[in-house]
Amino acid sequence: EAGVAQSPRYKIIEKRQSVAFWCNPISGHATLYWYQQILGQGPKLLIQFQNNGVVDDSQLPKDRFSAERLKGVDSTLKIQPAKLEDSAVYLCASSRDRGDEQFFGPGTRLTVL
Amino acid sequence: AQSVTQPDIHITVSEGASLELRCNYSYGATPYLFWYVQSPGQGLQLLLKYFSGDTLVQGIKGFEAEFKRSQSSFNLRKPSVHWSDAAEYFCAVAVLILTGGGNKLTFGTGTQLKVEL
Repeated sequence: EAGVAQSPRYKIIEKRQSVAFWCNPISGHATLYWYQQILGQGPKLLIQFQNNGVVDDSQLPKDRFSAERLKGVDSTLKIQPAKLEDSAVYLCASSRDRGDEQFFGPGTRLTVL
Repeated sequence: AQSVTQPDIHITVSEGASLELRCNYSYGATPYLFWYVQSPGQGLQLLLKYFSGDTLVQGIKGFEAEFKRSQSSFNLRKPSVHWSDAAEYFCAVAVLILTGGGNKLTFGTGTQLKVEL
């Protein structure tokens, strides 16, 4: 069974630029999560989808971050415009259903200069 | 609000020695607890989890953890560490999402394990 795929693996941008990350969850997994992991900290949940609906986005900075999962499969996380403090690893995870074990992708390391 | 504390930022052990990584949590209800491992450039991998029942939980790669409600702890142990265990370890607590169902993970800040040969 293929794991969670993410791209790109690395991204370097200037502040105020825009960036997008892509995630392809494990086939058949209904729940998809985006986490932000700042250096020296544990991952923090940004948004959780159940199929194509949002379950929890309470920690998503909505003035600059957006995410979608239009067909209930792949997902895109966008930052516009980026700030220096957005430098982090962005992890995508999926689970068969809510409350099930989460499987994590390798992450996208974002550096904002 | 729920929180997870991992008091040791870095730990160094010799290969073959025993290991214990500490984790304390704060959560009003019965917690669901997890330990994850993250190797450089890799995503997080679940080592073990505690939902209920036996307070000593066995996981993959020879790891185990013990849930102690009286101490609000869920420490990770391994009797004999291998060089390949060098990684970062995260403790997490699952919190129920009341409005949408399911749960979300709150992670500790991690413990970086170094193994000396």
